[in-house]
Amino acid sequence: NAGVTQTPKFQVLKTGQSMTLQCAQDMNHEYMSWYRQDPGMGLRLIHYSVGAGITDQGEVPNGYNVSRSTTEDFPLRLLSAAPSQTSVYFCASSYTGRAEAFFGQGTRLTVV
Amino acid sequence: KQEVTQIPAALSVPEGENLVLNCSFTDSAIYNLQWFRQDPGKGLTSLLLIQSSQREQTSGRLNASLDKSSGRSTLYIAASQPGDSATYLCAVKGGTASKLTFGTGTRLQVTL
Repeated sequence: NAGVTQTPKFQVLKTGQSMTLQCAQDMNHEYMSWYRQDPGMGLRLIHYSVGAGITDQGEVPNGYNVSRSTTEDFPLRLLSAAPSQTSVYFCASSYTGRAEAFFGQGTRLTVV
Repeated sequence: KQEVTQIPAALSVPEGENLVLNCSFTDSAIYNLQWFRQDPGKGLTSLLLIQSSQREQTSGRLNASLDKSSGRSTLYIAASQPGDSATYLCAVKGGTASKLTFGTGTRLQVTL
């Protein structure tokens, strides 16, 4: 069972560069989301999607874009990386409503 | 806005001890509450999911309770082992579109 797969696991970017963090799930979940985890702040919601073609902003969306063209994939794009985006990024998926959430292994991003 | 608090932030216990981790939330209008385990540098592993209509869930040595009206949940770990050392996160699901709100976690160390 692959579950939720994130790539890459580690990435170093220079300020101003762009990149895409990949997230894929094989459980046919409607709901997918991206979180960032920073020391002392817990996980915060960046963007989420309730199905293909539908996305919305979370708590900290600035500097990030998402799209959902298929049920399986939910990439997160950093348009112009900034040091403040240094963080660990987690992708999650679930059925909508009261279902259990499953998380990927995370992408550790450093912006220098 | 939902806020989730976990106390204590860190806990060290000798092997074999029973322990309780606490989670409190400000808005009782939740769908469910989920406990996760996170090992250093790793992703989130789901431990227990309690629906809002349930009082408790058990899995092996773990027992989670939920008192929605008072905004509290506890995770009870029986006969702790060094392998239980990790950070434990609680998250509540509520509001629009299955959003999870996380606490900042309790870092548990079980010593020999």
